Amino acid sequence: DIQMTQSPSSLSASVGDRVTITCRASQSISNYLNWYQQKPGKAPKLLIYAASSLQSGVPSRFSGSGSGTDFTLTISSLQPEDFATYYCQQSYSTAYTFGQGTKLEIK
Amino acid sequence: EVQLVESGGGLVQPGGSLRLSCAASGFTFSSYRMSWVRQVPGKGLEWVANIKQDGSEGYYVDSVKGRFTISRDNAKNSLYLQMNSLRAEDTAVYYCARDRTPVTSGSSGYWGQGTLVTVSS
Repeated sequence: DIQMTQSPSSLSASVGDRVTITCRASQSISNYLNWYQQKPGKAPKLLIYAASSLQSGVPSRFSGSGSGTDFTLTISSLQPEDFATYYCQQSYSTAYTFGQGTKLEIK
Repeated sequence: EVQLVESGGGLVQPGGSLRLSCAASGFTFSSYRMSWVRQVPGKGLEWVANIKQDGSEGYYVDSVKGRFTISRDNAKNSLYLQMNSLRAEDTAVYYCARDRTPVTSGSSGYWGQGTLVTVSS
């Protein structure tokens, strides 16, 4: 199976900060990379698909980039509602896999 | 409005079986690949299985192969997960999820609220 590794595992930041989360695949996955946001007690929410396409309704402060094995999720200016856990997911192979998650906390 | 409602979770003994259901509405169910994703409380997400639109093929994470079976009934707009030989490590919230578009994309654009499965004696 393809392994997905996110870094950092946790991150403290302030409202207004620019934040970047990294996801690395154990083999090339082209652009078959998705990003999700999850808040406590809630189902995940799709933010970015195909590495860089913004899901409908998601604020433009979220952006994704990368291809092959290295990907990033960037939040350009953190808002209070952005404090959550973020997951990357590859959909290149028939067995999809998630990264371990990055918890974004308020500094 | 797209809705996915899971049911069937509960407490089961190790070695036992459980069948989860996901009732879909608000979209043409037969046009979308569907998935099950689980999450141990307080831990990360784990993709479990998905199934093609016509139900002809399902794919599984290695840890459930041979024990879990994903299926669907397009006439009933329903997705299922038959879980046999359950283990303590299968304890989790199980989410039903729909692909973002009918053209298989691998990204899950809609999720249910989840149903808790607890495997314990």
